[in-house]
Amino acid sequence: KAGVTQTPRYLIKTRGQQVTLSCSPISGHRSVSWYQQTPGQGLQFLFEYFSETQRNKGNFPGRFSGRQFSNSRSEMNVSTLELGDSALYLCASSLDPTYNEQFFGPGTRLTVL
Amino acid sequence: ELKVEQNPLFLSMQEGKNYTIYCNYSTTSDRLYWYRQDPGKSLESLFVLLSNGAVKQEGRLMASLDTKARLSTLHITAAVHDLSATYFCAVEETSGSRLTFGEGTQLTVNP
Repeated sequence: KAGVTQTPRYLIKTRGQQVTLSCSPISGHRSVSWYQQTPGQGLQFLFEYFSETQRNKGNFPGRFSGRQFSNSRSEMNVSTLELGDSALYLCASSLDPTYNEQFFGPGTRLTVL
Repeated sequence: ELKVEQNPLFLSMQEGKNYTIYCNYSTTSDRLYWYRQDPGKSLESLFVLLSNGAVKQEGRLMASLDTKARLSTLHITAAVHDLSATYFCAVEETSGSRLTFGEGTQLTVNP
């Protein structure tokens, strides 16, 4: 069974640009969550999607957004990039939101110059 | 707001020694995860602890959960170099899905 896949794996952008990251969950998993990992703030929850609906959102500015498609694939978008957005962005999938183990993808390493 | 604290944050130990990493959390939850992360890599699931008194063991690692004390421990027995990594505990809120992570414990096992 294939794991969670994320594309691209590495990305370099400049301040002010926008970026879209993609996540394909494990087959059969319908819930996708996104986390940001930085050396200063650690691992922080961004948002969670289930059945194309955002169920939960972390404490991030509106520049961070996401969506989920009918095939459960998810994208997150960051607009007007800032230097502080440089991070490892991790996607996790689970069967559904109700107390199911989350499996993490390899992450997308975003560098903002 | 759920807070999760790990200690120690840095741990340097010799091969063959035992040690324990502690994870305290601030609100009621009965579902706790331990993950391992190697440098530049993603999170690898180690243990899922689902109820008070849960104990799980895999190789040289053993995890336990005391929901009354809001405490989980990750015990390392006879450490080997391959265990060098950062270990995170994460607590799942009772509403499901959202994980709150501890700061991580960077473990270095020296020969």
